Amino acid sequence: AQKVTQAQTEISVVEKEDVTLDCVYETRDTTYYLFWYKQPPSGELVFLIRRNSFDEQNEISGRYSWNFQKSTSSFNFTITASQVVDSAVYFCALSEPTQGGSEKLVFGKGTKLTVNP
Amino acid sequence: ETGVTQTPRHLVMGMTNKKSLKCEQHLGHNAMYWYKQSAKKPLELMFVYNFKEQTENNSVPSRFSPECPNSSHLFLHLHTLQPEDSALYLCASSQAVRGVGTDTQYFGPGTRLTVL
Repeated sequence: AQKVTQAQTEISVVEKEDVTLDCVYETRDTTYYLFWYKQPPSGELVFLIRRNSFDEQNEISGRYSWNFQKSTSSFNFTITASQVVDSAVYFCALSEPTQGGSEKLVFGKGTKLTVNP
Repeated sequence: ETGVTQTPRHLVMGMTNKKSLKCEQHLGHNAMYWYKQSAKKPLELMFVYNFKEQTENNSVPSRFSPECPNSSHLFLHLHTLQPEDSALYLCASSQAVRGVGTDTQYFGPGTRLTVL
């Protein structure tokens, strides 16, 4: 079965520091999708990125960047010049087909990021 | 309203009560999901509906009963819950284009449920 490991339970940084959130996954599928979501204190999971297994290009979106490496089964997320508003719990997730023909997301336990002023 | 909405945002109920959680998506999607997020476990899928049909029940106890009357609405009916059912219940939706990869799930703000 698929598995997602986010080894960092909590990270605390000072504003303007760069921070990298680690994600390691396990899957036997050759085609799969990886996701990152942000969960602020309000509770809603905010979609950040989706990456398919055939696209290993790194992606940058403003202060956010993602490093996908199939060789190490990792999909790490870096926030450059962190801000207080980045404080949230960040989840990495992996797609998994279900017996009913749907797709479901297997989530890691999340990394709580606190950015202090 | 935009995106995925959930009501109520907070709910406190006794073990003998019957209550319902409501989810509505305004994205034109065809798949809807219920997830449970408790303090001690990762987010876990409960149910999936594709085009109003239930396609996944992740061994959820029968005290949780989902209902999907149309592609825009999803309910979770609650009956004789246990204190360990206290959690954040999240609804999500996705486009669910059949046969085309995995589409992105968009989540609502969740209902914080406390069972006394």
